[in-house]
Amino acid sequence: DSGVTQTPKHLITATGQRVTLRCSPRSGDLSVYWYQQSLDQGLQFLIQYYNGEERAKGNILERFSAQQFPDLHSELNLSSLELGDSALYFCASSGGQENSPLHFGNGTRLTVT
Amino acid sequence: GIQVEQSPPDLILQEGANSTLRCNFSDSVNNLQWFHQNPWGQLINLFYIPSGTKQNGRLSATTVATERYSLLYISSSQTTDSGVYFCAVATQGGSEKLVFGKGTKLTVNP
Repeated sequence: DSGVTQTPKHLITATGQRVTLRCSPRSGDLSVYWYQQSLDQGLQFLIQYYNGEERAKGNILERFSAQQFPDLHSELNLSSLELGDSALYFCASSGGQENSPLHFGNGTRLTVT
Repeated sequence: GIQVEQSPPDLILQEGANSTLRCNFSDSVNNLQWFHQNPWGQLINLFYIPSGTKQNGRLSATTVATERYSLLYISSSQTTDSGVYFCAVATQGGSEKLVFGKGTKLTVNP
């Protein structure tokens, strides 16, 4: 068990809808990262938050947004969903220093129909 | 950006065999991590190893930073070792800069 908690495990929704994925980092970790894993694109970094502030942005679409709350949990919001958004979405956490290893949650499998 | 190549792409072993997975990268790195994604999709951090050698049970890893490669050794493989092994590297910054390779898919047969 990595200590990173993600909910829900599975999500099935229709095109055009909006969903929210939730993540609680490991105890003591200040950094939260969101990744998307699809068969054709592999693991893609979306966004990172550190202690409530956005720290880095990757290949995140404008339809997607995230935030980190004072208790350090994070939410990833996906809106105007398209079929191509179907993927496994991972949250990961680390201590935030450059040499901190990354620990992943079990992921949320999103299916857009 | 940095290129990460993992080899072999696929590996099939009998239980008890040893294996070596390789990760080549195209630039100097300050961050290199190995991950195992099991058949249920869970991604587990195996090593943080930008240089040197580390061991954890039957697994060990060596990174030769000057020659831009890292090796993951699995000894006495078990069926639970099956899954995809990813190498991820960054040339600067922290884990937000990690670039993942395409992985090596390992199948260990009983």
